[in-house]
Amino acid sequence: QVQLVQSGAEVKKPGASVKVSCKASGYTFTSYGISWVRQAPGQGLEWMGWISAYNGNTNYAQKLQGRVTMTTDTSTSTAYMELRSLRSDDTAVYYCARARTTGNWFDPWGQGTLVTVSS
Amino acid sequence: DIQMTQSPSSLSASVGDRVTITCRASQSISSYLNWYQQKPGKAPKLLIYAASSLQSGVPSRFSGSGSGTDFTLTISSLQPEDFATYYCQQSYSTPCTFGQGTRLEIK
Repeated sequence: QVQLVQSGAEVKKPGASVKVSCKASGYTFTSYGISWVRQAPGQGLEWMGWISAYNGNTNYAQKLQGRVTMTTDTSTSTAYMELRSLRSDDTAVYYCARARTTGNWFDPWGQGTLVTVSS
Repeated sequence: DIQMTQSPSSLSASVGDRVTITCRASQSISSYLNWYQQKPGKAPKLLIYAASSLQSGVPSRFSGSGSGTDFTLTISSLQPEDFATYYCQQSYSTPCTFGQGTRLEIK
């Protein structure tokens, strides 16, 4: 079955970076893209960006431009999201989700990775 | 950015009730509207895509309708496992945006 499995929880200090992984299985990785969505505690869903696993093209949310980098490793069917210069308001659960294009729905989702930013 | 507004923000209902959740876009998004269900501590799950297409494996009591700016998610007969938070999402343009969520609670 199609599945996305994410890396484990992280605790980081303000100003640090975090890199979350998302390993795909059950489908042809390069036929889809991966979107990243985050959810602050008790809050709604915020789209962060999308990357094509076919050619590496990216589309980032403007508010995160310059702090976020999304990459893929087709040899291991894994997507990565790195967020730099972490602030306390970056504390959230980070999800990856399969999406064929930026104008597409998200299915399935990874289980989520809690990133806590605290001094 | 396109703003998505859901109503109501919360809703109390009983098992067997028919429930409708509304999502309004700040501009026309054609049929680029998707619905998700999220239970506490879990990832969202796709229910409806392209406004009215039922995702494989989702019970037929869920249905979606609408186009342009106004959309609805209907649950025809609530089951105990349906109590959750529901989000709409527009995929018409980037950044794709979500509604604020509708929390469906047991009456």
